[in-house]
Amino acid sequence: AQKVTQAQTEISVVEKEDVTLDCVYETRDTTYYLFWYKQPPSGELVFLIRRNSFDEQNEISGRYSWNFQKSTSSFNFTITASQVVDSAVYFCALSESVTSGTYKYIFGTGTRLKVLA
Amino acid sequence: SQTIHQWPATLVQPVGSPLSLECTVEGTSNPNLYWYRQAAGRGLQLLFYSVGIGQISSEVPQNLSASRPQDRQFILSSKKLLLSDSGFYLCAWSPRASMNTEAFFGQGTRLTVV
Repeated sequence: AQKVTQAQTEISVVEKEDVTLDCVYETRDTTYYLFWYKQPPSGELVFLIRRNSFDEQNEISGRYSWNFQKSTSSFNFTITASQVVDSAVYFCALSESVTSGTYKYIFGTGTRLKVLA
Repeated sequence: SQTIHQWPATLVQPVGSPLSLECTVEGTSNPNLYWYRQAAGRGLQLLFYSVGIGQISSEVPQNLSASRPQDRQFILSSKKLLLSDSGFYLCAWSPRASMNTEAFFGQGTRLTVV
């Protein structure tokens, strides 16, 4: 069955520290997509990145970077020089094809990141 | 551009009362629609998804039901709420497309059953 594991329930760092959020997934599909979302205190989920299973290149977007390793079924997220505004719950997700054009999104339990000033 | 509306934002309901949460999507047609629940420490749990009008798939047996009376309208209901129904409910949509894209979420409804 499809599964996403975010073993880190909560992480606290001091501002300007780097922090890595771990995500490990299980899937029987050969083609799949992985996602990261941010949930600020307001509650709405904000999409951060999508990665397909054929693209193992790491990606960097400003202070954010993602490391996808198919061999270990991991899709980790690193925030460099963290800021207080990065404080949020971060979710990793995996899509599962249901029918042509329709997917289910399987989420991990989330990691609460607290960045202290 | 596409937008998703979900209401109400907060709701306090007594045990045994009915529930109706509504979600509508604008700016797209024939979307996939989803209801998720977020309970403390349990992440996002998929409750229902729909690929079209009247087509509902349930992921978790529970006290809730969903309906899709129109293409861009998705409703979450209960006839009698339980304390365990408390949580943060999120509606989401994704485009019907051969290439998988991300899901887009509404702002959520925080339900407290008392």
